[in-house]
Amino acid sequence: DGGITQSPKYLFRKEGQNVTLSCEQNLNHDAMYWYRQDPGQGLRLIYYSQIVNDFQKGDIAEGYSVSREKKESFPLTVTSAQKNPTAFYLCASGWGVTGELFFGEGSRLTVL
Amino acid sequence: AQKVTQAQTEISVVEKEDVTLDCVYETRDTTYYLFWYKQPPSGELVFLIRRNSFDEQNEISGRYSWNFQKSTSSFNFTITASQVVDSAVYFCALSEKGYSGGGADGLTFGKGTHLIIQP
Repeated sequence: DGGITQSPKYLFRKEGQNVTLSCEQNLNHDAMYWYRQDPGQGLRLIYYSQIVNDFQKGDIAEGYSVSREKKESFPLTVTSAQKNPTAFYLCASGWGVTGELFFGEGSRLTVL
Repeated sequence: AQKVTQAQTEISVVEKEDVTLDCVYETRDTTYYLFWYKQPPSGELVFLIRRNSFDEQNEISGRYSWNFQKSTSSFNFTITASQVVDSAVYFCALSEKGYSGGGADGLTFGKGTHLIIQP
């Protein structure tokens, strides 16, 4: 089936550890995005990529890193520099022309 | 800067009532897109509708309807004869880039409205 796959769905991390969230899409979309969702805060853009080997910071990029080595994949690393990493992370992709995004099921990260 | 405001944090209605979710946006561009997404408890955002800034016609899809008014910068969403399955968080979103590069920089979301439909 076509879509966006995020893994893991739930992740626990100790303070000081880096963790990588996976996002894979088979929709042939050029653009991919990472959003963070906190209760009552809506979705905030972390990073996005419009093309392979290129990406841009969103509104809250500090403490995060990404790579885009393949069109299908856009992993997000939450580094130890992220001061408040506990959140729900959503990956999305789109063609970029009309702006419509397709979302994965999300990854819930909890820092212990 | 672009901004989306959903003033209603939570709405609770009894099944079969009509309910309207408000969305007000700010943008400097004349070309932009507006969206509504539904987020059920599972977490995945489900696309509901896209509207471009040049099309102010209202749209109806089954029990759902949308009212776009540029004069008041609003894009409201109405559910008629609500059902328990409509319970979810609903997000309004804005893309400023328009057709030529539309949305490649991502969507700006409102904070969402939690809709509770009681049986």
